[in-house]
Amino acid sequence: NAGVTQTPKFRILKIGQSMTLQCTQDMNHNYMYWYRQDPGMGLKLIYYSVGAGITDKGEVPNGYNVSRSTTEDFPLRLELAAPSQTSVYFCASSYRATEAFFGQGTRLTVV
Amino acid sequence: QQQVKQSPQSLIVQKGGISIINCAYENTAFDYFPWYQQFPGKGPALLIAIRPDVSEKKEGRFTISFNKSAKQFSLHIMDSQPGDSATYFCAAILTGGGNKLTFGTGTQLKVEL
Repeated sequence: NAGVTQTPKFRILKIGQSMTLQCTQDMNHNYMYWYRQDPGMGLKLIYYSVGAGITDKGEVPNGYNVSRSTTEDFPLRLELAAPSQTSVYFCASSYRATEAFFGQGTRLTVV
Repeated sequence: QQQVKQSPQSLIVQKGGISIINCAYENTAFDYFPWYQQFPGKGPALLIAIRPDVSEKKEGRFTISFNKSAKQFSLHIMDSQPGDSATYFCAAILTGGGNKLTFGTGTQLKVEL
């Protein structure tokens, strides 16, 4: 009963480096999301997907890219890491609007 | 522009007391209003939710009150317990528009013995 799995849990990046945050879900959910959480700011939507092959920008997409080649996987790519991308990143999935299931998060620090 | 405003930012309640968290939204097209609970080091998890055609929903010690005309809703936690200490987020969804959650800024609740 894995649900939504994110890797890695922690990562330190140097400015300008790139990385991919992995997210996979085993619930066959069509909808998947990436949020970032900053202290006092709540969770902000970065990108979302309504199904394999379909992605769209959320509220704060700059500096990120996504792909959705399968129902299960929704990786988030940071191309040129900046200190402003220091945050906790959450992936989520849902079948309907009634409940979104979140992963345990990836804590990213850019130095 | 914060589409969902949440207050207070932090809250300390004595064990057995009532915790109240308030939210206000701007977009009248929102049609689903969930509350999420988050413990340290964990992702948010759905606690309770309401649709705007209902004025109140109760699940155990947790109650949502909804005022459509004022565009406000609130979470009441009755008989608050130390295990309720967590961060609470209100949210709003426009269903059919990707079911994207728009979150409030969160309330850090601490229930003291």
